[in-house]
Amino acid sequence: DVKVTQSSRYLVKRTGEKVFLECVQDMDHENMFWYRQDPGLGLRLIYFSYDVKMKEKGDIPEGYSVSREKKERFSLILESASTNQTSMYLCASLAGNTIYFGEGSWLTVV
Amino acid sequence: SQKIEQNSEALNIQEGKTATLTCNYTNYSPAYLQWYRQDPGRGPVFLLLIRENEKEKRKERLKVTFDTTLKQSLFHITASQPADSATYLCASAFGSNDYKLSFGAGTTVTVRA
Repeated sequence: DVKVTQSSRYLVKRTGEKVFLECVQDMDHENMFWYRQDPGLGLRLIYFSYDVKMKEKGDIPEGYSVSREKKERFSLILESASTNQTSMYLCASLAGNTIYFGEGSWLTVV
Repeated sequence: SQKIEQNSEALNIQEGKTATLTCNYTNYSPAYLQWYRQDPGRGPVFLLLIRENEKEKRKERLKVTFDTTLKQSLFHITASQPADSATYLCASAFGSNDYKLSFGAGTTVTVRA
């Protein structure tokens, strides 16, 4: 089974803090994604990566950056967290046409 | 721009009945549509994929249709059970980036015993 693991399940951070969300997949997938999910808005793509050190902006990249130094690991970075970034963040990787999601990271920015 | 739209109203049904969920898309037809299940506090899980040239796809008690004329996919849960209670998401990829999925907001289904 494909496993996508997000390092933190619940985080509480202060406004202005730098936040790292880590994600690891164990299936050697090339494509990895970060989404955020908010009530009524569904899943929105923040960034995706199609190879090591390669990244592309999704629909809502503002306020975020990413890092992919190794194939199995894709990190989402909030350079200066703001309250409007309070959300559930989902990491995913792609096999064929199917996306496999992690369990999600609930981030609260106070 | 392309959009995926789901009826975001919750669907409450009696156990044993069929739940029918709707997914509409705008503009041109995608090559395929996908359906995912999401339980509270968990990540979505892939259920089914239906391609543009397929009218219907089945998996156990699940059935998906794809109507390019109506620009719509229907997702049916037959003989529903309380364990089917979850949010169901429709997704597809548009344009040349066929791995860049867009998701609908989801429809929450509650099956009453």
